[in-house]
Amino acid sequence: GESVGLHLPTLSVQEGDNSIINCAYSNSASDYFIWYKQESGKGPQFIIDIRSNMDKRQGQRVTVLLNKTVKHLSLQIAATQPGDSAVYFCAEIPYGGTSYGKLTFGQGTILTVHP
Amino acid sequence: NAGVTQTPKFQVLKTGQSMTLQCAQDMNHEYMSWYRQDPGMGLRLIHYSVGAGITDQGEVPNGYNVSRSTTEDFPLRLLSAAPSQTSVYFCASSYEGAGNTIYFGEGSWLTVV
Repeated sequence: GESVGLHLPTLSVQEGDNSIINCAYSNSASDYFIWYKQESGKGPQFIIDIRSNMDKRQGQRVTVLLNKTVKHLSLQIAATQPGDSAVYFCAEIPYGGTSYGKLTFGQGTILTVHP
Repeated sequence: NAGVTQTPKFQVLKTGQSMTLQCAQDMNHEYMSWYRQDPGMGLRLIHYSVGAGITDQGEVPNGYNVSRSTTEDFPLRLLSAAPSQTSVYFCASSYEGAGNTIYFGEGSWLTVV
């Protein structure tokens, strides 16, 4: 309900630690999953995506893991920096391979990195 | 190029007033969409367009109208503003072949009193 939406999960880490942000999704038919970073007062920024036929994908300092059995997605950030502090959202794209700009977003997690 | 540009950045409306949020992109993208973001929540799709002259509803279309007369512009109209429409609105664009790269504007903060 509305009250759940006002209390985002939070994750606090020390600079240099590794961070793991989790997301549960509901649509088994989703073709792609994307992680976005949103800083205060700004629009979402693409981080990394993964197709449903993969279970792991790596980028620069980030790794996304997909577990379709339990409908779970995670974002791992290595050597977390203060500049990584933001709200992180997972998003789904329906099967078809292209989004046409249509995304279904998850609730979001607030990541705070302490120097 | 400027990317996705939204105006106004901030707006206060009285209940029942109408207004249009403007969105323009200079990247010649076919796909454009409007989302709203309520406090502590992810974005929800209002309307989207796959090309000039073509629009369709998203998850939360009620109370909003859109049109796409040109490739560049995708305005969002609130016909009779309600307090429940107090939110942050994001416009986005993308194109065939972009994969999952979707470009978001900076957002428009709307308060309906």
